[in-house]
Amino acid sequence: QLQLQESGPGLVKPSETLSLTCTVSGDSISSSDYYWGWIRQPPGKGLEWIGIFYYSGSTYYNPSLKSRVTISVDTSKNQFSLKLSSVTAADTAVYYCARGAYYSGSEPFDSWGQGTLVTVSS
Amino acid sequence: SSELTQDPAVSVALGQTVRITCQGDSLRNYYASWYQQKPGQAPVLVIYGKNNRPSGIPDRFSGSRSGNTASLTITGAQAEDEADYYCNSRDSSGNPVVFGGGTKLTVL
Repeated sequence: QLQLQESGPGLVKPSETLSLTCTVSGDSISSSDYYWGWIRQPPGKGLEWIGIFYYSGSTYYNPSLKSRVTISVDTSKNQFSLKLSSVTAADTAVYYCARGAYYSGSEPFDSWGQGTLVTVSS
Repeated sequence: SSELTQDPAVSVALGQTVRITCQGDSLRNYYASWYQQKPGQAPVLVIYGKNNRPSGIPDRFSGSRSGNTASLTITGAQAEDEADYYCNSRDSSGNPVVFGGGTKLTVL
């Protein structure tokens, strides 16, 4: 059974770097059948994609966050990580990792982690 | 701002049918995926592709598309369907992901 679990500090100071890791069990992040990504949700607001990566190594970031975001992959641990630099209070959100799948004409996120709240505050 | 536009709120009487819509240019070429999110929980995929339901999703949920508008229809809404619903697809600028702003469904 596929499981995704986010981990990392729940509190980050302004101007510092937010770092989260997603540990995947029940599937390999190296599989060509899926892609993987990060999505966040500020309190009381909607979903915002942060970035995704494909098994080929291609990575795509939300243009609004691109200058501050890095997604890295550790296939030996079946984990992928998110780093978001120079954070402000506007980056306070629940951060989700998710698996994306390929279907004819759509590429949905078919499995999600439970999410982790990250608060940016001094 | 989102390139997929959803009505912020929709209501439906218990047992009646409701349609939640999602508009965007990219939907002319890609199908929308739909997610249900209840308070304090992660989103759950309910519809993807032309009209496909993941295992465990009741058949009262269905999807359709016409032009640049995708629709999620709940036929015979139940109290447990009260939730936020988000659509998602590619965007018209070539980015692989975009989400709609979400629709809060109230079951009366």
